[in-house]
Amino acid sequence: AQSVAQPEDQVNVAEGNPLTVKCTYSVSGNPYLFWYVQYPNRGLQFLLKYITGDNLVKGSYGFEAEFNKSQTSFHLKKPSALVSDSALYFCAVRESWGGATNKLIFGTGTLLAVQP
Amino acid sequence: SQTIHQWPATLVQPVGSPLSLECTVEGTSNPNLYWYRQAAGRGLQLLFYSVGIGQISSEVPQNLSASRPQDRQFILSSKKLLLSDSGFYLCAWSVRHKTLAGVDNEQFFGPGTRLTVL
Repeated sequence: AQSVAQPEDQVNVAEGNPLTVKCTYSVSGNPYLFWYVQYPNRGLQFLLKYITGDNLVKGSYGFEAEFNKSQTSFHLKKPSALVSDSALYFCAVRESWGGATNKLIFGTGTLLAVQP
Repeated sequence: SQTIHQWPATLVQPVGSPLSLECTVEGTSNPNLYWYRQAAGRGLQLLFYSVGIGQISSEVPQNLSASRPQDRQFILSSKKLLLSDSGFYLCAWSVRHKTLAGVDNEQFFGPGTRLTVL
């Protein structure tokens, strides 16, 4: 069965420090991986995706993610955190055999808190 | 550019009352459409998805239903709300899957509807 795990419920980081939000996955076939961010009482915003190609994917707001096939991970990173980055972050994987449905399997979310 | 709308933004309904939430997408054709519920501010639960007009797939059996009367309109309904139906309801769209290479697989979300059932 396909799944996504976000092992940390919350990540705390000081402003200006690098941040990492962890994600591991389990899929059959090639993984299509995504990161989303959600601010309070708002919908999810797409940050970035890995489909194929370079293992380091760059996305919106200075975020990037590193795909590691051997460790089945897709960690979200940013070199210097901002207080405004504080939000809920979701990792997701597309169902390999979803066909035309493009269904995504979401992790449970990680709350990022950036302290000034 | 594409935009997705949801209304109402907030809703307070008594137990046993009907429900109708609407979602519309602009700037694209033949999208896949999805309804999610987010309870307790965290996990996302896929409720329904649709790959075309009148085509609805249910992920979780419950007292909710969905309809797609037009290409870019997706409606979530209930005849009688339960307390457990409270939550944040999110609509999303994606480009219909084109090839096995997985082009354009991401989903784009609307602003959500906060439903409180009392």
